[in-house]
Amino acid sequence: QKEVEQDPGPLSVPEGAIVSLNCTYSNSAFQYFMWYRQYSRKGPELLMYTYSSGNKEDGRFTAQVDKSSKYISLFIRDSQPSDSATYLCAIDGSSNTGKLIFGQGTTLQVKP
Amino acid sequence: SAVISQKPSRDICQRGTSLTIQCQVDSQVTMMFWYRQQPGQSLTLIATANQGSEATYESGFVIDKFPISRPNLTFSTLTVSNMSPEDSSIYLCSVHRGGETQYFGPGTRLLVL
Repeated sequence: QKEVEQDPGPLSVPEGAIVSLNCTYSNSAFQYFMWYRQYSRKGPELLMYTYSSGNKEDGRFTAQVDKSSKYISLFIRDSQPSDSATYLCAIDGSSNTGKLIFGQGTTLQVKP
Repeated sequence: SAVISQKPSRDICQRGTSLTIQCQVDSQVTMMFWYRQQPGQSLTLIATANQGSEATYESGFVIDKFPISRPNLTFSTLTVSNMSPEDSSIYLCSVHRGGETQYFGPGTRLLVL
């Protein structure tokens, strides 16, 4: 079993839709959870960072961690064509040392 | 934030040769890492580049294949040695400043023929 699993998609939605991206993980000891956005031919860009359980909101983006289910989610409200990218969930497997374990990434296309 | 540059941005190499990738950060950082992103795959950590000591490699990666240098707190190199087509990947440098601050460079796209 992989430590972090993510549905690779692709996912295609119309502009303005609510997007839900999800990952599951295997180790209940993980505490630091991240979502990165990667545009084509670019490096990953940190979008959201969450410690332990709960929700975190930043503009149109909401990150959610459910440690009881070992499930993390990223919601994008009012999606825009500029949100079209690959979204990667990542977990710091060594307690905030920067050594990240990534999911496979979900490719999102938002159609105007 | 941190501004990270990598050289070269891309290269096409022949099998059996070696390529050295450079990573430059605009300010001093303690933690620097090298990741690989194979075609259609996610990112995998290769090693932690330690300043003043040998790099720490993850399972499946060895120093003879991926030697790393870290001469100071703003610069590191990764060499991909004796390349084969399976080494065709994007290689990314990353820095971590603790907490919510982890940044990635733009990547080096390597194609081995």
